[in-house]
Amino acid sequence: DAKTTQPTSMDCAEGRAANLPCNHSTISGNEYVYWYRQIHSQGPQYIIHGLKNNETNEMASLIITEDRKSSTLILPHATLRDTAVYYCIVRVVNTGTASKLTFGTGTRLQVTL
Amino acid sequence: DGGITQSPKYLFRKEGQNVTLSCEQNLNHDAMYWYRQDPGQGLRLIYYSQIVNDFQKGDIAEGYSVSREKKESFPLTVTSAQKNPTAFYLCASSTLAGRETQYFGPGTRLLVL
Repeated sequence: DAKTTQPTSMDCAEGRAANLPCNHSTISGNEYVYWYRQIHSQGPQYIIHGLKNNETNEMASLIITEDRKSSTLILPHATLRDTAVYYCIVRVVNTGTASKLTFGTGTRLQVTL
Repeated sequence: DGGITQSPKYLFRKEGQNVTLSCEQNLNHDAMYWYRQDPGQGLRLIYYSQIVNDFQKGDIAEGYSVSREKKESFPLTVTSAQKNPTAFYLCASSTLAGRETQYFGPGTRLLVL
């Protein structure tokens, strides 16, 4: 699976949009981009994933550049509850086999009043 | 409610003892996984299983053992051969439908006394 690079930490004011970047310049054509987050001392929580088109769900939006070498996770209106470590993961998806995930150190997002 | 349960939340072990961490899921998922997380680090895969009575080593399997006798259960034993067992242990499960995401349990924090 391709390696990802994320900033170590970011701050965001409550109510503002949080834009978390991820670089995955060695991504292959069959690799998806996944985002998870981990609130302190809890298990990671799935947020969103995509292949090449932008995606949106009730939690966030995922913007993938046309060359797929980078992506941005957008939390449109950050709240204090969004304070967490955010992991960007790229992986090949194979139907019928286990979906192993490779976690880096992620971005620690601190949402402040 | 469907989900993954891990018990206990905290576990203390004396050096030289084996200890077993429980993981149960009622999501009817075929695949189950065990990860280890050290402070300030991402998750690392210990073992995974795609089907009952079958499991595969992950990236850091030495000093650990698992069993998969039932679809819903995937216990992890931390043996005395694991030299640095103090960590946060996370269990996850997923379907084998390709793009399906992994769902994580709340984790067990193991401390060696």
